[in-house]
Amino acid sequence: DAGVIQSPRHEVTEMGQEVTLRCKPISGHDYLFWYRQTMMRGLELLIYFNNNVPIDDSGMPEDRFSAKMPNASFSTLKIQPSEPRDSAVYFCASRPAGRTNEKLFFGSGTQLSVL
Amino acid sequence: GNSVTQMEGPVTLSEEAFLTINCTYTATGYPSLFWYVQYPGEGLQLLLKATKADDKGSNKGFEATYRKETTSFHLEKGSVQVSDSAVYFCALRLNNNNDMRFGAGTRLTVKP
Repeated sequence: DAGVIQSPRHEVTEMGQEVTLRCKPISGHDYLFWYRQTMMRGLELLIYFNNNVPIDDSGMPEDRFSAKMPNASFSTLKIQPSEPRDSAVYFCASRPAGRTNEKLFFGSGTQLSVL
Repeated sequence: GNSVTQMEGPVTLSEEAFLTINCTYTATGYPSLFWYVQYPGEGLQLLLKATKADDKGSNKGFEATYRKETTSFHLEKGSVQVSDSAVYFCALRLNNNNDMRFGAGTRLTVKP
């Protein structure tokens, strides 16, 4: 299995532009998570999906952030408009269903820089 | 609320030194506890876990024991290698919750 695949690996954009981050979870995994990593706040959970349905988006910082999962093999995290304080590494992670399947499988992340 | 507090870094050690990275947690229930490791340029990987009190998780020479009485899950390794240089995250997950809470991470640098 190729693991969790995120794209792009790096994104540099200007303030006010729309940014779309993409994630392909591991096939068969029912849960998908979006995390943001910054020096100041560490790793924060933004939102997670179960069977393509958003379950908890309480970590989404504000309305500029939105996430979708149109099918089991694809999710997007969109920031519109982007701001310099959104600069961070964004990770996608997935895991199978079941209480004993607690291990999260992380992608390599998208390094976002908003100028 | 449920949270994890871990030792601030960075930590710099010489090869073969003993490593301890402290982690304490606050939880309303009975969490599972984890250590994840992030090597440069990569996503996080599970290093070890423990699901109940007094369990010891171990992997690649690293160990951590789930101490309910002190609400701790300190990471230890007897002899670190340069290849252990990475960021280490302590995390918890309640058994009835899909929200994995991570600590801020501790950067470890091991010098030859």
